[in-house]
Amino acid sequence: TQLLEQSPQFLSIQEGENLTVYCNSSSVFSSLQWYRQEPGEGPVLLVTVVTGGEVKKLKRLTFQFGDARKDSSLHITAAQPGDTGLYLCAGVSNTGKLIFGQGTTLQEKP
Amino acid sequence: GAGVSQSPSNKVTEKGKDVELRCDPISGHTALYWYRQSLGQGLEFLIYFQGNSAPDKSGLPSDRFSAERTGGSVSTLTIQRTQQEDSAVYLCASSPRHEQFFGPGTRLTVL
Repeated sequence: TQLLEQSPQFLSIQEGENLTVYCNSSSVFSSLQWYRQEPGEGPVLLVTVVTGGEVKKLKRLTFQFGDARKDSSLHITAAQPGDTGLYLCAGVSNTGKLIFGQGTTLQEKP
Repeated sequence: GAGVSQSPSNKVTEKGKDVELRCDPISGHTALYWYRQSLGQGLEFLIYFQGNSAPDKSGLPSDRFSAERTGGSVSTLTIQRTQQEDSAVYLCASSPRHEQFFGPGTRLTVL
């Protein structure tokens, strides 16, 4: 069974802070996707990483795929209030079905 | 353009009743997926359609769950004799190839 472990499960962020979310698996995936989900909505695709060692940047978000294609990370630079939400990593199977991690909830520090 | 739509958006039912959840995919998308999401958690795969066929039903939790797709378009997920543990958000996604586009989900509450 392919499983994805995400950490941390919760993150409280202050505006301007940097943070990293991790996604790890014991299985190799042909590609891995990161989604962001806001309350009451479905997940929205942020990025797909395909090649081991690949790094993709989306404004203040940097995504990395591990050399062995078993792990990935999402780094946010200078977090903004609009970055809050549930971040999900998902491994893509050969049928296209997604195997999701349990998600990381980013919330603002009170 | 129109995205994936799901209905109803919310459904409250009593334990033991049957429910039907509907998904209208983006026109022309051949693949359709159903997932289930418990509160604040990741999504759990249920079933995958390619056209009207379901080559992968491995995620359906029990024989109380079934799904069909007609005309390569609309899909219905049916849960018979609902149980409290069926309470969750049921999400549908359609895909032309690699990217999946999700609907807003149906929040099912079984009392």
